[in-house]
Amino acid sequence: QSALTQPPSASGSPGQSVTISCTGTRSDVGGYNYVSWFQQHPGTAPKLLIFEVNKRPSGVPDRFSGSKSGNTASLTVSGLQAEDEADYYCSSYAGSNNVIFGGGTKLTVL
Amino acid sequence: QVQLVQSGSELKMPGASVKVSCKASGYTFNYFAIIWVRQAPGQGLEWLGWIHTNTGNPTYAQGFTGRFLFSLDTSVSTAYLHIRSLKSEDTAVYYCARASSILTGNFDYWGQGTLVTVSS
Repeated sequence: QSALTQPPSASGSPGQSVTISCTGTRSDVGGYNYVSWFQQHPGTAPKLLIFEVNKRPSGVPDRFSGSKSGNTASLTVSGLQAEDEADYYCSSYAGSNNVIFGGGTKLTVL
Repeated sequence: QVQLVQSGSELKMPGASVKVSCKASGYTFNYFAIIWVRQAPGQGLEWLGWIHTNTGNPTYAQGFTGRFLFSLDTSVSTAYLHIRSLKSEDTAVYYCARASSILTGNFDYWGQGTLVTVSS
């Protein structure tokens, strides 16, 4: 099973909004409303930002939002801040009690 | 507070075995599954599978059956990842995380990661 497709990089200036896409197939992203997003700073463990497409765990700022259309999910970071510079990964339920991750997107805050 | 604390870095020869531990605290261990994910140097996250902490039933991702084994010691709230016949391509940071549901992807607390280096 191939990884979900994410752009390798994205960028934006402080205060701007940036959207990162995550494309899969009908067998994963398109087949279930179970997409998660994780943020990972260098040398640290991933942090859950979004689950079930658009739900935020407590403590995650509402600057982070998720959506899905067809086989593509998206993470939008609004009001970019310097600390948002990190790698971002999507994941999706893929059936048979398994999960698939995206290849990751490096977000640069200009 | 919820914590998952993993064992320290390992350096192993090709063909050897390694056992990574993941000790949970701050919550009821058998209320959440444990997932395993790895990250090769400079690469993305890779799903290895998960273990049901009530039944001990493991589910392995495609390509990770045979050499990879998930186990539990519920008496000490600890999950284990055992990898045998190590190959150089197994060099990675291995993470555990707790999951309220594999379906929803709610993987809310993660261990700090364990670096496994396979080299002669």
